[in-house]
Amino acid sequence: GENVEQHPSTLSVQEGDSAVIKCTYSDSASNYFPWYKQELGKRPQLIIDIRSNVGEKKDQRIAVTLNKTAKHFSLHITETQPEDSAVYFCAATLHSGGSYIPTFGRGTSLIVHP
Amino acid sequence: GAVVSQHPSRVICKSGTSVKIECRSLDFQATTMFWYRQFPKKSLMLMATSNEGSKATYEQGVEKDKFLINHASLTLSTLTVTSAHPEDSSFYICSARPPGARTEAFFGQGTRLTVV
Repeated sequence: GENVEQHPSTLSVQEGDSAVIKCTYSDSASNYFPWYKQELGKRPQLIIDIRSNVGEKKDQRIAVTLNKTAKHFSLHITETQPEDSAVYFCAATLHSGGSYIPTFGRGTSLIVHP
Repeated sequence: GAVVSQHPSRVICKSGTSVKIECRSLDFQATTMFWYRQFPKKSLMLMATSNEGSKATYEQGVEKDKFLINHASLTLSTLTVTSAHPEDSSFYICSARPPGARTEAFFGQGTRLTVV
């Protein structure tokens, strides 16, 4: 099966700084990599995703990069704001048993200080 | 679009009783739904994959007789925690995959289960 490692577990930044969260995966067959933001007591929300045929994707202040050779992908948030504070999860999706199964990282608690 | 609703959002039950949690896709038909368990400050642990009209596929270590999953329609999957014990207290969350989407899935709002 797939194994996803996510670092750091906690990230504290000042408002306006950039934040980078990194994930590695083990199965080279994984081909879809979503990132979710989960605020306290709420559901995870998909914020950006990338497929294995793309190296980088950007959406305003958020970008994701993928290195298939090294089997790692990263989330980049620029010009961070206090409302970016949340837990962020990465996931790697693998086709298994007829379904595409996501495996999640352990999460990164991002704290943006005003 | 792609709204997933989970009910109840919170439930408290007595030890030994059973609790049913519903996951509904409101504006699409979901052939596949996933059930997760999330411990405080921990990741989402996949419990089972639920396909409409067939038996759920449970992850290793998840007791299928303890956590009964029924995906009887394209818009509803249910998770029943049978003979609940305090150690079953957790945040349970489902996700559903829209038709034609091979990989994307959208989450319900989760259910906080407390067994006393």
